[in-house]
Amino acid sequence: EVELVESGGGLVQPGGSLRLSCAAAGFTFSSYSMNWVRQTPGKGLEWIAYISSGGGSIHYADPVKGRFTGARDNAKNSLYLQMNSLRDEDTAVYYCARDKGVAASGIYDYWGQGTLVTVSS
Amino acid sequence: DIQMTQSPSSLSASVGDRVTIPCQASQDIKNSLNWYQQKPGNAPKLLIYETSNLEVGVPSRFSGGGSGTDFTLTISSLQSEDIATYYCQQYRNLPLNFGGGTKVEIK
Repeated sequence: EVELVESGGGLVQPGGSLRLSCAAAGFTFSSYSMNWVRQTPGKGLEWIAYISSGGGSIHYADPVKGRFTGARDNAKNSLYLQMNSLRDEDTAVYYCARDKGVAASGIYDYWGQGTLVTVSS
Repeated sequence: DIQMTQSPSSLSASVGDRVTIPCQASQDIKNSLNWYQQKPGNAPKLLIYETSNLEVGVPSRFSGGGSGTDFTLTISSLQSEDIATYYCQQYRNLPLNFGGGTKVEIK
């Protein structure tokens, strides 16, 4: 059974940093592209980063470009999101989501349960 | 960027009703459109991909249609367990934007 479990969320002050992790199980992690998607009450669902299966191709949404860094460790079946220079508007539930199929598809067939990041002083 | 519009933001229907949820893209996305269902406290769940393909395990009362800029998700006979918010998402171009969602409630 496919399982994605996020961790690392919490309360952080504006300007601070946080590192999210997503532990994958139940599938060949190294064969699938992965994504980070966040959700806020105000802006809804927002794709923020794509990481290719090998980690060599990464794309970011404009609101996080230059502040967030996506990475993966296929030996540890894990996906990461390093978040720096955090702002109030980064407050959200952060999900990792798998691309359907072994090629990048933009179709997210499995999602983690999410981890809450709150940016506040 | 391609903007995805879902209107209405909520609708109310009776059990057994046929429910149609619209989604509009700001430009032609061919058939690069997915639908997700989200229940309170849960992550989104893939229902339909590439406009009309039913994800494995999703009940056949769900169907999708459309092309270009106008798309629909249809529930042929609404069940109480279908109470949720439904989101469309385009994957034609980055950023892969979602619509604002349509919340379905029981009348």
